[in-house]
Amino acid sequence: DSGVTQTPKHLITATGQRVTLRCSPRSGDLSVYWYQQSLDQGLQFLIQYYNGEERAKGNILERFSAQQFPDLHSELNLSSLELGDSALYFCASSVSGQGAGSYEQYFGPGTRLTVT
Amino acid sequence: GQSLEQPSEVTAVEGAIVQINCTYQTSGFYGLSWYQQHDGGAPTFLSYNALDGLEETGRFSSFLSRSDSYGYLLLQELQMKDSASYFCAVLGGATNKLIFGTGTLLAVQP
Repeated sequence: DSGVTQTPKHLITATGQRVTLRCSPRSGDLSVYWYQQSLDQGLQFLIQYYNGEERAKGNILERFSAQQFPDLHSELNLSSLELGDSALYFCASSVSGQGAGSYEQYFGPGTRLTVT
Repeated sequence: GQSLEQPSEVTAVEGAIVQINCTYQTSGFYGLSWYQQHDGGAPTFLSYNALDGLEETGRFSSFLSRSDSYGYLLLQELQMKDSASYFCAVLGGATNKLIFGTGTLLAVQP
């Protein structure tokens, strides 16, 4: 158990819908990262927040957005869902947010999103 | 940009030693990490190399050569539970993101 929690574990929804994925980082970690992993694919970095502020962005679609709240939990919002958005979405956290400190990230169990 | 290359699949027998290679290209480099992911599970951190040389952690070792932009993960005394995907990840680039390779699926056979 990494100490990172994600809800829900599974989500099935229809195309065009909007969903929110939730993540609570490990106690003491200030950085939260979101990744997308499609079938047989690697981990695609989406976005990073550090202490409430956006720190780095990856190939995140405009239909996707995220935020980190004062209590450090984070939410990833996915809208106008398409079939291709079906994937495992992981949240990870680390103590630091830049430089060598973010090489060790602790991953949550993931949310499996299925768009039908 | 950043790119990483690692073999897609490796097969080895129980008790053997296996090496998973990773070559990378990045503008700006802090270090190379390795993560293990069992099927459908969460990736877990294995090791990190910032400097050239070998880092050992139990049965797992990781090596880095910055001049060759190359690293490897060495798994010794393989066990069935080591069957998993192994990802190398580079910390670097303008925004210090951790960029993952596509992963190597290790199958350990009895």
